[in-house]
Amino acid sequence: DQQVKQNSPSLSVQEGRISILNCDYTNSMFDYFLWYKKYPAEGPTFLISISSIKDKNEDGRFTVFLNKSAKHLSLHIVPSQPGDSAVYFCAASSTGGTSYGKLTFGQGTILTVHP
Amino acid sequence: NAGVTQTPKFQVLKTGQSMTLQCAQDMNHEYMSWYRQDPGMGLRLIHYSVGAGITDQGEVPNGYNVSRSTTEDFPLRLLSAAPSQTSVYFCASRTSAASYGYTFGSGTRLTVV
Repeated sequence: DQQVKQNSPSLSVQEGRISILNCDYTNSMFDYFLWYKKYPAEGPTFLISISSIKDKNEDGRFTVFLNKSAKHLSLHIVPSQPGDSAVYFCAASSTGGTSYGKLTFGQGTILTVHP
Repeated sequence: NAGVTQTPKFQVLKTGQSMTLQCAQDMNHEYMSWYRQDPGMGLRLIHYSVGAGITDQGEVPNGYNVSRSTTEDFPLRLLSAAPSQTSVYFCASRTSAASYGYTFGSGTRLTVV
């Protein structure tokens, strides 16, 4: 059972435009969400996170939105740059109980930004 | 350089062989985890640890063992390699006090023939 889903395997955008990557989750116990970026032959790198007590978090060109009622989060990149081309993973965690510290990842979305 | 170091970077095993993937971090992080990445599956948690002497299973623990005798090291042992264990393996660590931003190693690409 895939508890975190990224239904778009790939996304292609023009440089300077907005990139929107989406993620859905099913486990109501998840209360902390993260986005990771991964280049080929490298490990994932942490990008941005959001707690369930918020609905938005910004860091420069990156903004994450959380809609708890819909169990949906999205990552907005504005403006998109060719260097943003990578695989983006959504991840979720529960801060309570025995699951503390465990991350559950989505399948990833390949973002390609064309010059 | 501070970070998570994984060795080896590449490995080819024959079915039935055993081996240990090494992971070391020098950031004094309490939490460490092992993930495997397969096409279309994202990263799946194999085992994790919240401190020396404490380990627990993740989503896909079968065929793997771990131990955590020191804060720095978290080796992953494949007991009897199978072709289904062909994958890219990532080790990650973080401090218990920080946000949930794990630091990942660069990975070990394992092929079982």
